[in-house]
Amino acid sequence: EAGVAQSPRYKIIEKRQSVAFWCNPISGHATLYWYQQILGQGPKLLIQFQNNGVVDDSQLPKDRFSAERLKGVDSTLKIQPAKLEDSAVYLCASSYSFGDNEQFFGPGTRLTVL
Amino acid sequence: AQRVTQPEKLLSVFKGAPVELKCNYSYSGSPELFWYVQYSRQRLQLLLRHISRESIKGFTADLNKGETSFHLKKPFAQEEDSAMYYCALRSNFGNEKLTFGTGTRLTIIP
Repeated sequence: EAGVAQSPRYKIIEKRQSVAFWCNPISGHATLYWYQQILGQGPKLLIQFQNNGVVDDSQLPKDRFSAERLKGVDSTLKIQPAKLEDSAVYLCASSYSFGDNEQFFGPGTRLTVL
Repeated sequence: AQRVTQPEKLLSVFKGAPVELKCNYSYSGSPELFWYVQYSRQRLQLLLRHISRESIKGFTADLNKGETSFHLKKPFAQEEDSAMYYCALRSNFGNEKLTFGTGTRLTIIP
């Protein structure tokens, strides 16, 4: 089966600019996750969707980050405006259902904020 | 709050020697524990989970609730085991999110 797709793979922006990331989960996977992985750290969950509803966004910096999954399939994560500390790899993952143990990860988008 | 600690950032082991990657956790309930692995230029992927009690690529991990540990072990290291390993914990109620440790980079010396 095709894996989780993400684009772009790399992005370099200046601080205060905006950026958006796109994720296409595995077909049929109802649950979608966005993680932030800062260099030297493990992935940190930003937001979790079940179909098109938000299950958990407690660690999403809502003053600058937003995410949507309007039709319950693809998702976009936006940062506006970006800060230097947002430099990280942004990982998208999906799982078949809420409560399913295994999450399948995409290749990630490496964001550099100058 | 749930937390996962991997005390070793880097671990080098000779080929054929035993490997143990340490993972300790703090969680008030009964967690589910996982090991994820990321090989060079590949995606993060699940290696094993404690509830299945299986051996994957020769690796095993036993959940020790008394010591709150979930160490990953392999009796004889192979060069292809070189990778980044992450221990992760999942709560068994609520939103069931995964909390990852900071990871251990394992290098197998030929």
